[in-house]
Amino acid sequence: DAGVIQSPRHEVTEMGQEVTLRCKPISGHNSLFWYRQTMMRGLELLIYFNNNVPIDDSGMPEDRFSAKMPNASFSTLKIQPSEPRDSAVYFCASSLPTGGNTEAFFGQGTRLTVV
Amino acid sequence: AQSVTQLGSHVSVSEGALVLLRCNYSSSVPPYLFWYVQYPNQGLQLLLKYTSAATLVKGINGFEAEFKKSETSFHLTKPSAHMSDAAEYFCAGGTSYGKLTFGQGTILTVHP
Repeated sequence: DAGVIQSPRHEVTEMGQEVTLRCKPISGHNSLFWYRQTMMRGLELLIYFNNNVPIDDSGMPEDRFSAKMPNASFSTLKIQPSEPRDSAVYFCASSLPTGGNTEAFFGQGTRLTVV
Repeated sequence: AQSVTQLGSHVSVSEGALVLLRCNYSSSVPPYLFWYVQYPNQGLQLLLKYTSAATLVKGINGFEAEFKKSETSFHLTKPSAHMSDAAEYFCAGGTSYGKLTFGQGTILTVHP
């Protein structure tokens, strides 16, 4: 398996522009998570989906952020309009719940820089 | 919700020395606990996870962690550090479906 695939790996954009981050989870996994990593706040969960349905988006910082999962093999995280404080590394992770201690598998991340 | 606290944001050891990275968890049940490692410019990789089958959990790269309920701890150890162990390590509390709450992370530096 290729693992969780994220694109792009790096994104540099100007303030005010729309940014779309993409994620392909591991085939067969039915839970998907978006995390953000910054020096100040560490790793924080933004949103997670189960069977393509958003279950908890309480971590989404504000209305400028939105996430979709149109099918089991694709998810997007969109920021519109982007701001410099959105600069961070965004990780996507997926898992297959087994009723016990379920591990999540992470992608390589997208490093976003908003100038 | 499960929460974890990592003691020490930076740990420095000499090559060949014992590595000890500390993690304490909140006492919610069940204790779904993990250690992940992040190498520079990489994603997070699972080192090991607590399964309740044994209190001493062995992971990859020679790491292990001991679950101590009386101390609400899940410290990560390795008997002999290698230069390639230099990375950031995260303790995490999880759920049955994979949602994770991370500690603040500990950067491990290994000196020759």
